[in-house]
Amino acid sequence: VQLLESGGDLVQPGGSLRLSCAASGFTFSNYAMAWVRQAPGKGLEWVSFIDTGGSRYYADSLKGRFTISRDNSKNTLYLQMSSLRAGDTAVYYCAKGEGSNSIYDYWGQGTLLTVSS
Amino acid sequence: EIVLTQSPATLSLSPGERATLSCRASQSINIYLAWYQQKPGQAPRLLMYDASNRATGTPARFSGSGSGTDFTLTISSLEPEDFAVYYCQQRTDWPITFGQGTRLEIK
Repeated sequence: VQLLESGGDLVQPGGSLRLSCAASGFTFSNYAMAWVRQAPGKGLEWVSFIDTGGSRYYADSLKGRFTISRDNSKNTLYLQMSSLRAGDTAVYYCAKGEGSNSIYDYWGQGTLLTVSS
Repeated sequence: EIVLTQSPATLSLSPGERATLSCRASQSINIYLAWYQQKPGQAPRLLMYDASNRATGTPARFSGSGSGTDFTLTISSLEPEDFAVYYCQQRTDWPITFGQGTRLEIK
């Protein structure tokens, strides 16, 4: 199993960005996926989850600014982020669910988003 | 939102000692608690799931217990590679939540 995140960048406040997570080594369409972030020097914060049927869940704090999606034909997970704030600065990890649930048995190495002017 | 409170925030022990880490939920989460280990500069790694089940590759010195609101991760005899930050996570209800972490440091 490999999860490779990309797309992290330096973005100005109010900007948008899309993160990607390329998955390999397993049948991507059969597993739920999630995004978890970690601000510098802080703990883990769950961001979003998408199951195999496309149902999506988000952290309350995101207030509709983030959208999770998946393209099973490309074995890729996405996180579209908008109205970015300094508080969104973090390493963003994608994680594979164990089956359809929120037990995260594999994680990528993360991609860094910095929101700053 | 279910709040997970981990204690202690920092635990200072020596190799060979026994470590006991606690995670308390603000409401019952049945057994749906996982533990993750994170070392500096690395992604988290799943250690335990559903309170007491070891993930693939988790050494037998790690054990988990608890149900409802109180959970414990025990490391029976610390090895040098066990010094890290440990997080608990619940999957009973949305949103998924993590505890704030316990840092296990070498004394």
